[in-house]
Amino acid sequence: EVQLVESGGGLVQPGGSLRLSCAASGFTFSSYWMSWVRQAPGKGLEWVANIKQDGSEKYYVDSVKGRFTISRDNAKNSLYLQMNSLRAEDTAVYYCASGGIAARPFDYWGQGTLVTVSS
Amino acid sequence: SYVLTQPPSVSVAPGKTARITCGGNNIGSKSVHWYQQKPGQAPVLVIYYDSDRPSGIPERFSGSNSGNTATLTISRVEAGDEADYYCQVWDKFGGGTKLTVL
Repeated sequence: EVQLVESGGGLVQPGGSLRLSCAASGFTFSSYWMSWVRQAPGKGLEWVANIKQDGSEKYYVDSVKGRFTISRDNAKNSLYLQMNSLRAEDTAVYYCASGGIAARPFDYWGQGTLVTVSS
Repeated sequence: SYVLTQPPSVSVAPGKTARITCGGNNIGSKSVHWYQQKPGQAPVLVIYYDSDRPSGIPERFSGSNSGNTATLTISRVEAGDEADYYCQVWDKFGGGTKLTVL
């Protein structure tokens, strides 16, 4: 059974940093592009970033470029999102998802972790 | 930037057919994926590449895509189908449609 389990969310002040983690199991993690997708409270889905199987390619939505960094550790079957210079508008549930590159779907999703940016 | 337009809400009686549309410029030439999201839960892929169904998704769910509109069709709607539905093309999502079962 595929499982994606996010952690690391919480309350952080504007300008602060947070690192999200996603532990994957039940599939060959190293064979998949991986993505982060977020959902602001009461709003729709927004793709945030994705990373190639070997980490050699990374892409970001414009609103987080220069502030967020996606990374992965295939030996640990883990995906990460380092979030710096956080803003109120980054407040959202952050989902880890497999796939999501080019025309591919987001096959599997984690349960999400809530990030709240507020003073 | 590519924009996907969905109706905010669709209502249907149990046992009837619900159709949720996703509009986009020449969307028929692109691959469309659909997700179901129930309150407090993560999205679940219900249709991929326009009309394919992942394992475990009922045959009542189907999809089509042509011209400027992609459509998710749910036949014989059940109370458990009440959820938000999102279409996706590349890295873009539609705004979502809330399906209400009357």
